[in-house]
Amino acid sequence: DTAVSQTPKYLVTQMGNDKSIKCEQNLGHDTMYWYKQDSKKFLKIMFSYNNKELIINETVPNRFSPKSPDKAHLNLHINSLELGDSAVYFCASADRVVFGTGELFFGEGSRLTVL
Amino acid sequence: GIQVEQSPPDLILQEGANSTLRCNFSDSVNNLQWFHQNPWGQLINLFYIPSGTKQNGRLSATTVATERYSLLYISSSQTTDSGVYFCADNTGNQFYFGTGTSLTVIP
Repeated sequence: DTAVSQTPKYLVTQMGNDKSIKCEQNLGHDTMYWYKQDSKKFLKIMFSYNNKELIINETVPNRFSPKSPDKAHLNLHINSLELGDSAVYFCASADRVVFGTGELFFGEGSRLTVL
Repeated sequence: GIQVEQSPPDLILQEGANSTLRCNFSDSVNNLQWFHQNPWGQLINLFYIPSGTKQNGRLSATTVATERYSLLYISSSQTTDSGVYFCADNTGNQFYFGTGTSLTVIP
């Protein structure tokens, strides 16, 4: 029973297309995240939602739009894909971060390849 | 934000050897975690260790929050230990990651 699950795990698409990645967590956590990991392995925060409210919105192109229908789901939609969007996208969730504690758990990642 | 420095950046070990990975923080440690990214890309939680020492099999971790560092010990390394090890801490909603230590264990 996967705690943080992402779909799809692999996407291969052409430049200019639109794609979505879905994420669900069954840990009962309040806070969810999207991270981008490039080829150099650095984990870069993109967005975070706490109870469906956007709380972190880093400098990412506005082609990237997150959506949280409820606190257990955080989806990522990407418009007009570019070559530089190729990366692994990780969803994560954590609990009690607003109280100063909080352990982060990652999904398995979604590898996006833009041709 | 918190600056996180990991050392060494790369490490090659013979199977059976021991190693120590280090994580330094620019500010006091709050909720330190260690992760292992295996060769298949999965990010696995190793330790949640805001302070003190924990052990899990061949792995153990020590965090000295007041001195702003944490150590991850790998004993009797195995090829399955290969991958990238990340440490991270958070303040409020934001998590700060190191750039990782890439470990290769050779049979």
